[in-house]
Amino acid sequence: DVKVTQSSRYLVKRTGEKVFLECVQDMDHENMFWYRQDPGLGLRLIYFSYDVKMKEKGDIPEGYSVSREKKERFSLILESASTNQTSMYLCATKLSGADEQYFGPGTRLTVT
Amino acid sequence: GEDVEQSLFLSVREGDSSVINCTYTDSSSTYLYWYKQEPGAGLQLLTYIFSNMDMKQDQRLTVLLNKKDKHLSLRIADTQTGDSAIYFCAEIRGGKLIFGQGTELSVKP
Repeated sequence: DVKVTQSSRYLVKRTGEKVFLECVQDMDHENMFWYRQDPGLGLRLIYFSYDVKMKEKGDIPEGYSVSREKKERFSLILESASTNQTSMYLCATKLSGADEQYFGPGTRLTVT
Repeated sequence: GEDVEQSLFLSVREGDSSVINCTYTDSSSTYLYWYKQEPGAGLQLLTYIFSNMDMKQDQRLTVLLNKKDKHLSLRIADTQTGDSAIYFCAEIRGGKLIFGQGTELSVKP
């Protein structure tokens, strides 16, 4: 079974703080994704990565950056957290050439 | 339109059938997907349908696809309280999964 873990289930940060969300997968998948989930908006893609050190912007990259130094780990960085970044953040992985994505349990981030 | 559309809420009684509807946008999508998100959890792939099929049945789940109208539906027979969750349909567009807003299914005993 694919296992995708996220470093925290719940996180509370203050406005202006730098925030790191970590995602680790154990199945050697090339592709990794970060989404945010908001009520009524579904999942929106923030960034994705096709391979180590590669990254691509998704639909809503503003205010975020990512890092993929190792194949199994994909980090989402909020350089200066703002209250409108309060959301559920979901990490997903998939094999190249496949469509199915495997999701982590999510991190609920609150920015006060 | 540009978006994958779903209604936001559905409430049914235990034992009834649930039908969750979705309108997608890309007629060239090879597969269409249904994901389930249980409370406090990430998404799990529930089922999918290949675009050249009209229907797929998997135990209590039936997926119907109307390509002409770009309409996808998920029917859950004999709905149980454990089926309470958010259900997302998704299509492949530009190599990326595009999700609908999610339908929150509430099952009342």
